[in-house]
Amino acid sequence: NAGVTQTPKFQVLKTGQSMTLQCAQDMNHEYMSWYRQDPGMGLRLIHYSVGAGITDQGEVPNGYNVSRSTTEDFPLRLLSAAPSQTSVYFCASSSFPPGQGRTGSYGYTFGSGTRLTVV
Amino acid sequence: RKEVEQDPGPFNVPEGATVAFNCTYSNSASQSFFWYRQDCRKEPKLLMSVYSSGNEDGRFTAQLNRASQYISLLIRDSKLSDSATYLCVVTANDYKLSFGAGTTVTVRA
Repeated sequence: NAGVTQTPKFQVLKTGQSMTLQCAQDMNHEYMSWYRQDPGMGLRLIHYSVGAGITDQGEVPNGYNVSRSTTEDFPLRLLSAAPSQTSVYFCASSSFPPGQGRTGSYGYTFGSGTRLTVV
Repeated sequence: RKEVEQDPGPFNVPEGATVAFNCTYSNSASQSFFWYRQDCRKEPKLLMSVYSSGNEDGRFTAQLNRASQYISLLIRDSKLSDSATYLCVVTANDYKLSFGAGTTVTVRA
């Protein structure tokens, strides 16, 4: 049981390049999200999904696309990388809606992150 | 104004001490509250949910004050392993969680 797997762990891109950050989970979680984390700021939601085929925008969606063709995979695409997208990206999944504080809920399970630098 | 604000710290405490810190939130419609823990250069992990009546999990106690719109976390009998950044998380719906920037706690021997 690997949990949430993100690849790559590190990436350097040139401005204007595109790439896909991969995220896969093997826990059959319905709910998946992408966050970015910048120094001095909290994690900010980019996109999220409540199940296969269903995605929605978060707080900072511009410049990113997502799709959810399977329950397991939730890739994040950077369309044309910009230096402002330099950040640490976390993928997360949850069996319950992550905002529900149910007793026994494990909340989000996060991947180990992708450190992206755009030069 | 940020939706969730935290004192970044750091709070430097000796082993065995008690440390407490707060987090304020701006959206009065917020429904659910959590504390996550993040070790240096690692992913966040859920520490505990925060219930209206307050709750304990071992050495950790969380409180919610809706009137003043803040939540708190208290750590008793601090251990070296408690050194981490504690993220306050607030949400007004099921899917869009708002994370604070974190409070750093360093426990020294």
